[in-house]
Amino acid sequence: QVQLQESGPGLVKPSQTLSLTCTVSGGSISSGSYYWSWIRQPAGKGLEWIGRIYTSGSTNYNPSLKSRVTISVDTSKNQFSLKLSSVTAADTAVYYCARETTIFGVVMGFDPWGQGTLVTVSS
Amino acid sequence: QSALTQPASVSGSPGQSITISCTGTSSDVGGYNYVSWYQQHPGKAPKLMIYEVSNRPSGVSNRFSGSKSGNTASLTISGLQAEDEADYYCSSYTSSSTLFGTGTKVTVL
Repeated sequence: QVQLQESGPGLVKPSQTLSLTCTVSGGSISSGSYYWSWIRQPAGKGLEWIGRIYTSGSTNYNPSLKSRVTISVDTSKNQFSLKLSSVTAADTAVYYCARETTIFGVVMGFDPWGQGTLVTVSS
Repeated sequence: QSALTQPASVSGSPGQSITISCTGTSSDVGGYNYVSWYQQHPGKAPKLMIYEVSNRPSGVSNRFSGSKSGNTASLTISGLQAEDEADYYCSSYTSSSTLFGTGTKVTVL
């Protein structure tokens, strides 16, 4: 059973770059047809999709964040990562990583999810 | 790119049925059959309840069902139980992005 676990600093200073890693266990990140995604949720608010990277390496980003976001994969470590530059207090949120399976072109929703990690942007 | 629209709250008594709507546009909900629904309890990660509009993952109760008409998708919870009290989010996949709904708080009276 595939499990995802987020890791990274819990506190980032304004204007700096937020960096998070999602470690995949129980399966290979480079096999199958999957989208590996990042999603965030500010306290008391809804979910916001940040972006995804496909097994092939292609990426899609939320247009509102596109200029600041980079998602990459490290197959040797079975991890994928998020970098969000020039952060402000508005980027304070719980950040989740999640997998989206595609089978014969059918997109089957985000499952599983990591437990989430709180990142606070503050000086 | 705007969030999909959901009612802020829906409530029902135990045993009743409730329906949560999720309204988008022809570019997302109406243009793809890749609408998913998620249940989120406080302090927990979301849980996939429905994918591809109406399919339930293994292990999800058949009290949860999904449908779509035009640009609006719906999640129905039948036989409402206390454990169903949570936040619910829809999402719509597109070829270039994914949109989430604004979220609905379900209260079991």
